[in-house]
Amino acid sequence: DAGVTQSPTHLIKTRGQHVTLRCSPISGHKSVSWYQQVLGQGPQFIFQYYEKEERGRGNFPDRFSARQFPNYSSELNVNALLLGDSALYLCASSLARTTYYGYTFGSGTRLTVV
Amino acid sequence: AQKVTQAQTEISVVEKEDVTLDCVYETRDTTYYLFWYKQPPSGELVFLIRRNSFDEQNEISGRYSWNFQKSTSSFNFTITASQVVDSAVYFCALSGMNSGANSKLTFGKGITLSVRP
Repeated sequence: DAGVTQSPTHLIKTRGQHVTLRCSPISGHKSVSWYQQVLGQGPQFIFQYYEKEERGRGNFPDRFSARQFPNYSSELNVNALLLGDSALYLCASSLARTTYYGYTFGSGTRLTVV
Repeated sequence: AQKVTQAQTEISVVEKEDVTLDCVYETRDTTYYLFWYKQPPSGELVFLIRRNSFDEQNEISGRYSWNFQKSTSSFNFTITASQVVDSAVYFCALSGMNSGANSKLTFGKGITLSVRP
């Protein structure tokens, strides 16, 4: 079975641009969460989506948005990119909207803003 | 608010040594989960173990063992007979048991473990 897949794996953008990151959860998983991991730090929670609705949001500005599609895949959008948005963006999927079944993470998208 | 502190930043050991990774947490939740994840250079977070807050029984799983002490809010992780393949960044994480933002994982800053041959 395929794990959590994220695309692209690497991306370089210029300040002010916008970016869309994509995530496909494990088959049967209805919950997708997004995390930002800045170099040398632990991942920080951005969003959780379950059954196509936003169920939780971390302390990130409105430049960050996301959505979940009927097939449970998800997109993370970041507008007006700043240098500080350079990070590894991780997607995690789960069977439920609680942590009971745990999370499976993808390998992430490495975003560099120049 | 939830907080996870991993005071150790880097640990270097020689293969076959035992190594313990420390984790201290803070939460106002009465029920919660604690996790350890491993992040190799590839970037993917690999799940290692999970404990419930109401189960303080310590266990051993292969070369991994953990010591959960609610009284001191600590959740330490031990690798016995370390191997070079254990070299990675290890994260301790905490989450609530409810849905939504409560189910988010709060991570520590991670401990870089280097195992030398």
